[in-house]
Amino acid sequence: DGGITQSPKYLFRKEGQNVTLSCEQNLNHDAMYWYRQDPGQGLRLIYYSQIVNDFQKGDIAEGYSVSREKKESFPLTVTSAQKNPTAFYLCASTPGAAYGYTFGSGTRLTVV
Amino acid sequence: AQSVTQLGSHVSVSEGALVLLRCNYSSSVPPYLFWYVQYPNQGLQLLLKYTSAATLVKGINGFEAEFKKSETSFHLTKPSAHMSDAAEYFCAGSNAGGTSYGKLTFGQGTILTVHP
Repeated sequence: DGGITQSPKYLFRKEGQNVTLSCEQNLNHDAMYWYRQDPGQGLRLIYYSQIVNDFQKGDIAEGYSVSREKKESFPLTVTSAQKNPTAFYLCASTPGAAYGYTFGSGTRLTVV
Repeated sequence: AQSVTQLGSHVSVSEGALVLLRCNYSSSVPPYLFWYVQYPNQGLQLLLKYTSAATLVKGINGFEAEFKKSETSFHLTKPSAHMSDAAEYFCAGSNAGGTSYGKLTFGQGTILTVHP
């Protein structure tokens, strides 16, 4: 079955560490997105990519980085510059405007 | 520019009662509109979508929504709430044209509580 796989489901980060969240899709979608979700704050866009080897900053890109070397993969790195990384992270993809997004099941990141 | 507003961050209903979750949009071009549901610690799941084919859209789990251009609204309804409907619901929209390539604008979400 086609879908989006996010891993790991739970991730713990020590202060000063970089961590990478994985997002893989086998839907052949061109566009992929990363959102951060905090209680009561809805979904906030971190980065998005509409095509391989190209990506754009979203509303809260500071302290995050991404790459899009393959159509299927859009990993998100949470760097040590992100001072408050504890949140639920969602990856999504879409083939175009009329279809909406398909979401992954999310990664919960906690700073320890 | 597209914006989506959900009226009411929390809605509480009794089991068997009507569910009404409100969503208004603003857009300079005809929008595509979506409702998503999210259960705790899970991703968002598409409930239904409006893509201009029909103004009354039926989705999964007995939900439906009506696109009203004159009111710029896309409210979500279900005639009879079930305990399993308790979740957070998001309204979202994208523009049909332009170069946004399907990027969605989300409302802030509405948490639905269902009482026995």
